[in-house]
Amino acid sequence: EAQVTQNPRYLITVTGKKLTVTCSQNMNHEYMSWYRQDPGLGLRQIYYSMNVEVTDKGDVPEGYKVSRKEKRNFPLILESPSPNQTSLYFCASSLSGTGLEKLFFGSGTQLSVL
Amino acid sequence: AQSVTQLDSQVPVFEEAPVELRCNYSSSVSVYLFWYVQYPNQGLQLLLKYLSGSTLVKGINGFEAEFNKSQTSFHLRKPSVHISDTAEYFCAVSRGGSNYKLTFGKGTLLTVNP
Repeated sequence: EAQVTQNPRYLITVTGKKLTVTCSQNMNHEYMSWYRQDPGLGLRQIYYSMNVEVTDKGDVPEGYKVSRKEKRNFPLILESPSPNQTSLYFCASSLSGTGLEKLFFGSGTQLSVL
Repeated sequence: AQSVTQLDSQVPVFEEAPVELRCNYSSSVSVYLFWYVQYPNQGLQLLLKYLSGSTLVKGINGFEAEFNKSQTSFHLRKPSVHISDTAEYFCAVSRGGSNYKLTFGKGTLLTVNP
C-alpha cells in the first residue's frame, strides 16, 4: 500500500531534550516536506526536500533540522525543543516538486513539549 | 508573495443542504489551486486541483470548485452534503508549478448536522 509513515503518533517530552520524528514513504517520491498545524493558523511549511541531499527552508524553519540521506526517509529533528514547538506535525511527499501531482500526507505526530 | 484567505473558519449546515466554502488568493503570477480535506485524526487528502483549462473542477466525493481569475477566488461547493463530509477543509495555492511553495489557508471546519 502506498503510504507516508510517521512515527511516533504521539510524543510528550520536556524542554531541551533532543528528539527525532521519522518519516518514510514507499512511493519513490522525490519531493518530501514537513508541516506543522496549529489551531487558527492552518498548515505552515517547516522544511522541504526536492531530492536526496537537497533540502531548503520553508516558512517556519527556526528550531528544526532535517536531513535527506535516502530517498524514502526525511526525519525532522528538534535539537532543543521548546514549548512553542508543541504542535501537530505532518510529513508529506509527492512524485516531484512541480505542483502537478498531489501531496500524500502521513497521519501526523502530536508533539507536546513541557 | 502568495497568500490564501479562507473567509469562514466554521460552517455549520444540515444534512442534504448545499454548501459553499470560500477561498480567495493573492499572487502576482499564475497559480495552481488546491482543496484538501482533513477528516478527524487523519492527514490531509486531495479533494481537487486546478492547474489550467476549464475553470470548473470536479473532485472526489461530489465536490467541485470554480476558479475565478478576475475575483481571485476558488470556492468549493457541494449540492447536498452528508454527515460524513464533516471535516476541515484547506484551500492551498502553489506558485507557478512549484510545489515547495504550497501555501495553505487557515482552514474551514465544516460540520454537517442531522
